[in-house]
Order: sequence, then structure tokens, then C-alpha cells
Amino acid sequence: GAVVSQHPSWVICKSGTSVKIECRSLDFQATTMFWYRQFPKQSLMLMATSNEGSKATYEQGVEKDKFLINHASLTLSTLTVTSAHPEDSSFYICSARDGGGWDASYEQYFGPGTRLTVT
Amino acid sequence: AQSVTQLGSHVSVSEGALVLLRCNYSSSVPPYLFWYVQYPNQGLQLLLKYTTGATLVKGINGFEAEFKKSETSFHLTKPSAHMSDAAEYFCAVIFSGGYNKLIFGAGTRLAVHP
Repeated sequence: GAVVSQHPSWVICKSGTSVKIECRSLDFQATTMFWYRQFPKQSLMLMATSNEGSKATYEQGVEKDKFLINHASLTLSTLTVTSAHPEDSSFYICSARDGGGWDASYEQYFGPGTRLTVT
Repeated sequence: AQSVTQLGSHVSVSEGALVLLRCNYSSSVPPYLFWYVQYPNQGLQLLLKYTTGATLVKGINGFEAEFKKSETSFHLTKPSAHMSDAAEYFCAVIFSGGYNKLIFGAGTRLAVHP
């Protein structure tokens, strides 16, 4: 089956530093990847939609200059949290679709998540 | 406004009992509907989905869900709970015109007792 990996699985960083999280589709090409944020015991909130070779589309309220997303290839998207602060501590999850276009029946495959702790 | 609601943030059942997790959506046009399961510190795994066709959908691990347009519901069931079913369950929806964005419900934590 389709597998999505994330690296690192967890990271601790100091306030003011930047952290990069990678999301890879291992056995399929993902024209679209999604980044979610999940607070403890809460649901997933979509942060942005990333299409290969184009700029990401951010959800309302998400700071695009703080959460930099790059989708340079069909198998890799990265999320960089710039100048991280303790309030950015969260569980970040990516997903990838194995199809293009607007057909919503294409399944999204989720990565295992990255737990970010900012001290 | 379009929304998805999961009734009950916590559900507890005995092993072997029926599992029923509720999901309702608010939309005039039937959306695409999904159920995902999340184990601790892991990503999400798709249990089942409804896009078109038969309204009773069977998924993995013995789960099934029925789309009821008249009730705007997509409840998840399993006839007999197993200890390994203990996890967080999310109902998710892609609304018509929603640009394929998954909108998640708040989640239901299922506990299974011996």
C-alpha cells in the first residue's frame, strides 16, 4: 500500500530557531500534499495545501511566512517552522494524494506525524 | 455553514459489544465521507469512505458505515469490539466545492474494556 513518511518523528528546538519537517511519499507520486496541525486531544486542522511545483495555498489564519512549505518534487514536501516559539509546539501531520485533479475520491495517505516541542 | 459533528468525545464499550460512533454533517449537497483511525502518536489510517454508489460501506478491521442522506449521517459500527480497536476515530468530510480539503470532526476516543 501507499506509504508516507515523515522526518523527524520528533524534534525539540529552542525558541527563535527554525525547524524543517520532511514529508515523503515512498511508493507513489503525490501531486498534492497537505499539512495538518493537531493539538493534544484535538482534531486535525488543515494548515495548507501543497501542489508540486507551485506555491502552497494556506488556510485562513495560518501565517505563510512562519510556516514555509516547499513541494519541489512529486515525492517530497517540506514544512519549515521559522522562528519557532513555544506556542508552535504541536503534532504536525502531512498527507499525500495519489491522484491529481479535483477528483476527491483519490485517497489521502497520512504520514506518522512529527511532534515538535519548542522550549 | 458546512460542518461535521461527532457526537460523543469518549465512548466506552466492553469487549465483544457493539461499537457505534456517530457522525453527522451539515450540507445541502451530500459530501464525500471518510472514517479514519489514529493510534497514539501515529498518523491516520483510512477505515472506509463513501463517495458514490452503495450507501453501506465496509471497511477494514470489521468496521462498516452507512450513509443516510435523510439524516445527514455516516455512523461507524462494528458488531463486536476488540481490545485492539481502542483508538481515536475521526470522521472527515470533503464538501462539494471544497477543493478536496478534508474537514475533520473533533474525534471520538474509543475505549474497550475486558
